[in-house]
Amino acid sequence: DQQVKQNSPSLSVQEGRISILNCDYTNSMFDYFLWYKKYPAEGPTFLISISSIKDKNEDGRFTVFLNKSAKHLSLHIVPSQPGDSAVYFCAAKSTGNQFYFGTGTSLTVIP
Amino acid sequence: EPEVTQTPSHQVTQMGQEVILRCVPISNHLYFYWYRQILGQKVEFLVSFYNNEISEKSEIFDDQFSVERPDGSNFTLKIRSTKLEDSAMYFCASRVIFRYEQYFGPGTRLTVT
Repeated sequence: DQQVKQNSPSLSVQEGRISILNCDYTNSMFDYFLWYKKYPAEGPTFLISISSIKDKNEDGRFTVFLNKSAKHLSLHIVPSQPGDSAVYFCAAKSTGNQFYFGTGTSLTVIP
Repeated sequence: EPEVTQTPSHQVTQMGQEVILRCVPISNHLYFYWYRQILGQKVEFLVSFYNNEISEKSEIFDDQFSVERPDGSNFTLKIRSTKLEDSAMYFCASRVIFRYEQYFGPGTRLTVT
């Protein structure tokens, strides 16, 4: 039951460049999407979110894009910093109160 | 800054034993959640709790699992008879009503031997 997929388990980017993390989903009833960041031995930390009625949301260095027709969302981080190195999870909310997470993408930003 | 806390950080138990994982959500939050993450796998939703009752639960959350809010601050997950496959990191999370971002605790690592 992989309703939310992150097909890239890892990504390496040079400091200062753009990081693009991708997420695909299968359930067209998802109405809200979120990105979380996770460091080892800590719980996920909320990063940015987007409603299904929007196609873009920006917060500082972080931008989330939603393509509903393709059932695809992406997180752009620019410029990338070494402190951004972490595992990034996308999550989707069903019309109820249940949230589905992807498997995560481990981002390494190389100084 | 307020945060979600979880105890213990690590619990080792024998198969068949009961365990209770404890969480203290952020005080003005009204939705509470339990998730688990088996090593190397995705974060899986177990249950959501609102207004003193379960609002949704996943297929994983079978009769071996129960949740409770015994007082105004704690939120607990009980596993009645643990199995080896229950070994995982368990995360508690909470949120306010009108926003969907959840605040997660640091997790409890459960090891069933």
